Amino acid sequence: QVQLQQSGAELVKPGSSVKISCKASGYTFTSYDMHWIKQQPGNGLEWIGWIYPGNGNTKYNQKFNGKATLTADKSSSTAYMQLSSLTSEDSAVYFCARSGYFDFWGPGTMVTVSS
Amino acid sequence: DVVLTQTPPTLSATIGQSVSISCRSSQSLLHSNGNTYLHWLLQRPGQSPQLLIYSVSRLESGVPNRFSGSGSGTDFTLKISGVEAEDLGVYYCVQGTHAPWTFGGGTKLELK
Repeated sequence: QVQLQQSGAELVKPGSSVKISCKASGYTFTSYDMHWIKQQPGNGLEWIGWIYPGNGNTKYNQKFNGKATLTADKSSSTAYMQLSSLTSEDSAVYFCARSGYFDFWGPGTMVTVSS
Repeated sequence: DVVLTQTPPTLSATIGQSVSISCRSSQSLLHSNGNTYLHWLLQRPGQSPQLLIYSVSRLESGVPNRFSGSGSGTDFTLKISGVEAEDLGVYYCVQGTHAPWTFGGGTKLELK
């Protein structure tokens, strides 16, 4: 069965970076886009971007250009998202989701930015 | 960016009641390839969202057939024919026709 396992919660300082992971299993990792979505407390959903692990192609929401960097490791079937120059506005739960249909979701990784 | 406007923002229903949620787009979601990439998600409290309906009206595998989707162009509707307790949560429409993907603001379904 398809599963997306995400890394654990992060408490990070303003100005720093964080890298969160999404390990896929139960399907061919290189055949589907992996999307990343942000959800701030009590708020809705915001699309960050996607990566196609088959060839490494990426597409970003312009709003997250320079903030998020998506990568993928085919050998471990793991997608990564690095967030840089963190501020309190980056405190949120971050989800990975398979394909543009969002047919499978990870459990989310909570990132808290605080000094 | 495409703006998706969901109404109502909150919906109170009794068990067994049929309800509808509207999702209106700021531009047509008909892609040049003939497909319409408008999907519906449900986020139950404390959980990740799950896909219910994709491409306007296609029921995702394992989703009860009391859920149905309809619409075209800029106007779309999700209908639940006979609400059950497990249906409570926040419903989102999402479009992937035009980059960037965008989500509606959500409709919270509560028990009356």
